[in-house]
Amino acid sequence: DAGITQSPRHKVTETGTPVTLRCHQTENHRYMYWYRQDPGHGLRLIHYSYGVKDTDKGEVSDGYSVSRSKTEDFLLTLESATSSQTSVYFCAIKDRGQETQYFGPGTRLLVL
Amino acid sequence: AQSVTQPDIHITVSEGASLELRCNYSYGATPYLFWYVQSPGQGLQLLLKYFSGDTLVQGIKGFEAEFKRSQSSFNLRKPSVHWSDAAEYFCAVGGGRDFNKFYFGSGTKLNVKP
Repeated sequence: DAGITQSPRHKVTETGTPVTLRCHQTENHRYMYWYRQDPGHGLRLIHYSYGVKDTDKGEVSDGYSVSRSKTEDFLLTLESATSSQTSVYFCAIKDRGQETQYFGPGTRLLVL
Repeated sequence: AQSVTQPDIHITVSEGASLELRCNYSYGATPYLFWYVQSPGQGLQLLLKYFSGDTLVQGIKGFEAEFKRSQSSFNLRKPSVHWSDAAEYFCAVGGGRDFNKFYFGSGTKLNVKP
C-alpha cells in the first residue's frame, strides 16, 4: 500500500462542466502522475509532477490541466468535460529509491 | 519512439497449465521493465520489475519474467496458473533519459478455465 487515495471514486457529469479529481499521498513522494485507462489503450500519461508547482505534459494532455500546491496533493482538472474524457483515471506515485510507480484505486468518470 | 507491445489481447488457459504473456518494447536507452496486474475494478499491482543484473526476475504470486535484450522482450511466465490469476496484465517500460515517464502496453486479459 503506497498510501494513495483518489477522490471521488466515481463521478457522473455533463458535457461542458468543469471537473476536478484529487490524488492524495501520505508518504512525501516527489513524483506524482495522472493516467487515463481506456479499453485497448492500456494506460496513457496525462500529466505528471516532479515537485510542488513543477509539472509536465504527457502524451494525452489536451483538455486537462493539473496543479500541485503541496507535496501530498495532485489535482487533475477537466476545464470543460467532453464525452471523450469518459474514462478511468489513475493516480500514481514514483518511489524514487525503487524507481517504481505505485497506483491509486482509480476514479471512474462518466461524461454525459 | 518509446513503445510497448503486448501482442495478445486475450488469452485463455486451463487451471494448472503454464502461462506465458508476451511483451516487446522499443526504447532508446537501457530500459527499466515492469509487469503489473489489474483485477476487475481494481488498481494496478506491481508483479515484478527488472532494472539490471540477472535477466530472470522473480515476482509475487509465483510469476517470473525474462529480459532478452536481443529480442527486446520481457515475457511473463507462470508454471501453473490458478483461477485467481484471471486478470488483466500490463507490461511497462521506463528509465533512461525519459526516466520520469513510463510507457504501458495495451494489456492482456487472462481467462482461466476450470
